[in-house]
Amino acid sequence: NAGVTQTPKFRVLKTGQSMTLLCAQDMNHEYMYWYRQDPGMGLRLIHYSVGEGTTAKGEVPDGYNVSRLKKQNFLLGLESAAPSQTSVYFCASSYSTPRTQYFGPGTRLTVL
Amino acid sequence: AQSVAQPEDQVNVAEGNPLTVKCTYSVSGNPYLFWYVQYPNRGLQFLLKYITGDNLVKGSYGFEAEFNKSQTSFHLKKPSALVSDSALYFCAVRHSSYKLIFGSGTRLLVRP
Repeated sequence: NAGVTQTPKFRVLKTGQSMTLLCAQDMNHEYMYWYRQDPGMGLRLIHYSVGEGTTAKGEVPDGYNVSRLKKQNFLLGLESAAPSQTSVYFCASSYSTPRTQYFGPGTRLTVL
Repeated sequence: AQSVAQPEDQVNVAEGNPLTVKCTYSVSGNPYLFWYVQYPNRGLQFLLKYITGDNLVKGSYGFEAEFNKSQTSFHLKKPSALVSDSALYFCAVRHSSYKLIFGSGTRLLVRP
């Protein structure tokens, strides 16, 4: 049981490049989330999904897109990376509300 | 609007002494409150939660938290701190049926 996994662990992009972050969970959770963590700001919700085929915007969705084609996977895309998107990105999942969210190990993204 | 505040950026305590990490909240309706811990270069790990019932909630690694409705607080406590407790601690409150709002985090430093 791997829990929540994220790939890649690290990435460096140039401004304007695109990339996709993959989150996978093997706990059969309905809900999945993407957060970004910046110093002094805690975690901010980017997008979330309440089930396969559904997505919704969180607090800071601009510049990101997501897809949940399979229940176990939640993809976060950056179409045109900007330096302001330099951050650590965490994926999380939960079975239902208000139960615990389980977090992945994070992806450290640097945009030059 | 739901919100949570962690008034201290850092808490310093000597090993063996009791520790408290503070959290206050603002919610409409019944509060669902959580504490998470983040060790360096790791994702967040669930410590404990309050949904209903006893005001003193016990969690992982010897931590507990006290829910105080009149003071709208949910402080994290441990009777005897360990150096290995040094980490970043986040308080969170349920924002809606699906989402959590996280505080900005408090760094706990336990000195030998």
